[in-house]
Amino acid sequence: AQTVTQSQPEMSVQEAETVTLSCTYDTSESDYYLFWYKQPPSRQMILVIRQEAYKQQNATENRFSVNFQKAAKSFSLKISDSQLGDAAMYFCASSGTYKYIFGTGTRLKVLA
Amino acid sequence: NAGVTQTPKFQVLKTGQSMTLQCAQDMNHEYMSWYRQDPGMGLRLIHYSVGAGITDQGEVPNGYNVSRSTTEDFPLRLLSAAPSQTSVYFCASSRAGSSYNSPLHFGNGTRLTVT
Repeated sequence: AQTVTQSQPEMSVQEAETVTLSCTYDTSESDYYLFWYKQPPSRQMILVIRQEAYKQQNATENRFSVNFQKAAKSFSLKISDSQLGDAAMYFCASSGTYKYIFGTGTRLKVLA
Repeated sequence: NAGVTQTPKFQVLKTGQSMTLQCAQDMNHEYMSWYRQDPGMGLRLIHYSVGAGITDQGEVPNGYNVSRSTTEDFPLRLLSAAPSQTSVYFCASSRAGSSYNSPLHFGNGTRLTVT
């Protein structure tokens, strides 16, 4: 069975600072992928970043990067130079055979 | 470029009523799925489909039915609505390969209230 755990219900960060959101997962799949999605107040689900589990190199998308620790089954998201527009719910997800499973989310507040 | 279209955006039902949430995608995606989002629970998978004529249960399937007669459409049916089904519902699709490396594309959600 796949499980995804986000242990931080809420985080705050000062504008222009860096914040890290935590995610751990468990899966019996040998081939899987990991994702971070952002959900602003508009309710839209937006893909932030994707990581292939077979790749050791951490994925990066502009100010967003991940720290993927496969042995520890950890997949954290780092947001650098935080902006007011980064305020949102962030969901970690894993995909395997036929299913995409999501965590419970972390609400990020950005303080001006 | 429509992507994933969900209708309606909002719906209020009385206990025991039935309804269908519609979902259509125009990206020729093989994989389609339904999630419900509740505070503190994240997104939970209700049902999914890997192609026309093929559906299967997710984490929380009870009280919901689905069918997939075409690649484009994947409706979600509530046969007898209950207050516990008050939630925000998302339809999502992906260009699924054998290892599901494609990200999900989401509709804008339906807020359902059952009184």
